[in-house]
Amino acid sequence: LAKTTQPISMDSYEGQEVNITCSHNNIATNDYITWYQQFPSQGPRFIIQGYKTKVTNEVASLFIPADRKSSTLSLPRVSLSDTAVYYCLVGINTGGFKTIFGAGTRLFVKA
Amino acid sequence: EPEVTQTPSHQVTQMGQEVILRCVPISNHLYFYWYRQILGQKVEFLVSFYNNEISEKSEIFDDQFSVERPDGSNFTLKIRSTKLEDSAMYFCASASAGSSYEQYFGPGTRLTVT
Repeated sequence: LAKTTQPISMDSYEGQEVNITCSHNNIATNDYITWYQQFPSQGPRFIIQGYKTKVTNEVASLFIPADRKSSTLSLPRVSLSDTAVYYCLVGINTGGFKTIFGAGTRLFVKA
Repeated sequence: EPEVTQTPSHQVTQMGQEVILRCVPISNHLYFYWYRQILGQKVEFLVSFYNNEISEKSEIFDDQFSVERPDGSNFTLKIRSTKLEDSAMYFCASASAGSSYEQYFGPGTRLTVT
């Protein structure tokens, strides 16, 4: 399983765009990159998944360079309610497999 | 919107006792998971379950743990003889066959072992 490295914490202000980068130097050919969000005392919530280039949904964008050794989660115009821990996961894109969460990035959005 | 539910929300038990944590996954999902999160720490994978058998398990999931899908709706985690260090939040998750990478997590059961 590919190891991931993310910043431990980030601060931002409401209305700003936030980019959280995850390094996964030993990502395998069959691995996908998935991001989850977790609020205190709640289970993680799926945000977005991608394999290469750019993926966008109603919540976030995910940028993956050609070498796939890193990825960047982009949150447009954050609000106070985006304060949470964000996890980058790398693994096979099918169910039933081990899902390894790293330490995550604690994002704190200030007014 | 369908959601994963878990009961109880909080369970207090004495060391050495058996506990059963219950989960009702989303109805058409086929992949089921248990995780735990010790307070202030990261989410840890315990086990995945598919087609009525364990797909993968972590080193944490030793002989004191077992999972079962006793009927078409429930998915349970049993801890046979609880230890103090089993105190944690336990999350159940499920995923569909079509989007198996997208796991839906329940609200968790907080287990306190005294």
